[in-house]
Amino acid sequence: AQSVTQPDIHITVSEGASLELRCNYSYGATPYLFWYVQSPGQGLQLLLKYFSGDTLVQGIKGFEAEFKRSQSSFNLRKPSVHWSDAAEYFCAVGGGLTGGGNKLTFGTGTQLKVEL
Amino acid sequence: EPEVTQTPSHQVTQMGQEVILRCVPISNHLYFYWYRQILGQKVEFLVSFYNNEISEKSEIFDDQFSVERPDGSNFTLKIRSTKLEDSAMYFCASLLLAQVTDTQYFGPGTRLTVL
Repeated sequence: AQSVTQPDIHITVSEGASLELRCNYSYGATPYLFWYVQSPGQGLQLLLKYFSGDTLVQGIKGFEAEFKRSQSSFNLRKPSVHWSDAAEYFCAVGGGLTGGGNKLTFGTGTQLKVEL
Repeated sequence: EPEVTQTPSHQVTQMGQEVILRCVPISNHLYFYWYRQILGQKVEFLVSFYNNEISEKSEIFDDQFSVERPDGSNFTLKIRSTKLEDSAMYFCASLLLAQVTDTQYFGPGTRLTVL
């Protein structure tokens, strides 16, 4: 069964500091990996995704993530955090367009707080 | 930019009542999903729907739940007899299904409160 672990429930960083949110996955085949962001009262917005190729993927809002197969990880990074980045971040894994239709399995999320 | 819409944004109901949550997926998308997020917990897959039938469902999606695409634009989730534990945010998502790199677009969610 596929699963995602986000070990950090809460993270606080100062504005302008760098950020790394951890994500580990378990999946029996080639994983498709995603990071979504959820602001209060909002839906889930896709930040970036990894399907194949270059293991360092760039996303919106200055985020990037690196896929490391040997560590089963897909950590999200941002070199300089802005106050507007405060939100909840979800890592997700999917199987692509197989018979299951690419259902996503989400981690428990990491709540990011940004101190001014 | 096209987006997934959901109505209502907040639904309050009494235990045992039926509720219908509505979603309008992106118009040319072919795969549709419902997920739910109980307060403070992870987003969980409920069901996927393609070609007018359920493609996959989770163990959460029991006989109390049903989905329907009644016309060319709406996608609904019905809960026949709501329980307290059905209180959650319900997200609809849709997928184009044109290529393997397609991703799901999520709606803003419907917060269901069962009293």
